[in-house]
Amino acid sequence: EAQVTQNPRYLITVTGKKLTVTCSQNMNHEYMSWYRQDPGLGLRQIYYSMNVEVTDKGDVPEGYKVSRKEKRNFPLILESPSPNQTSLYFCASSLAGGSYEQYFGPGTRLTVT
Amino acid sequence: KQEVTQIPAALSVPEGENLVLNCSFTDSAIYNLQWFRQDPGKGLTSLLLIQSSQREQTSGRLNASLDKSSGRSTLYIAASQPGDSATYLCAVRGDSNYQLIWGAGTKLIIKP
Repeated sequence: EAQVTQNPRYLITVTGKKLTVTCSQNMNHEYMSWYRQDPGLGLRQIYYSMNVEVTDKGDVPEGYKVSRKEKRNFPLILESPSPNQTSLYFCASSLAGGSYEQYFGPGTRLTVT
Repeated sequence: KQEVTQIPAALSVPEGENLVLNCSFTDSAIYNLQWFRQDPGKGLTSLLLIQSSQREQTSGRLNASLDKSSGRSTLYIAASQPGDSATYLCAVRGDSNYQLIWGAGTKLIIKP
């Protein structure tokens, strides 16, 4: 089954404790991205990747890191999480950027206390 | 800077009615517009993708239209069903980069 998977689905952590949210897709997509969703603000892009070893900042990259060493994986790293990073995070992929549909993972609900 | 607005934020209608969800955007220089559905506890599901050169797209009971010049798109749902209850999001992709700019969504409730 073609899908985007994220782990963990739920995470409660404390300020400053490094964490990684994994994202993997099995559709051989070149384009992957991370979003956060906050009430009343819609989705905002954190980082995106056009292909392996190519990453770029989205609208809200501060406090986040990403890497794209393999085509299928695009982990999101929070080196020192803060309470304002409490949010619902989505990973997405598409065949390429531009005109192609994006496919989303199920989301990761992160709470930072 | 592109801004995307969806009004109303919430909508409740009886089963069987036809309904229209609205999406407006401030910059008409778009590459495409996409409608998504979001169910609680699940990810987003793409419903329809309209390229900037197209006026509408249809899938089953769903029809999405695009009017670039006025900065508007509508999602028409025919013969609504309780299973259509979800939050509907529209997202616009600018023609100068690959970023999607999102509306905040319309939460739709279909009453049996």
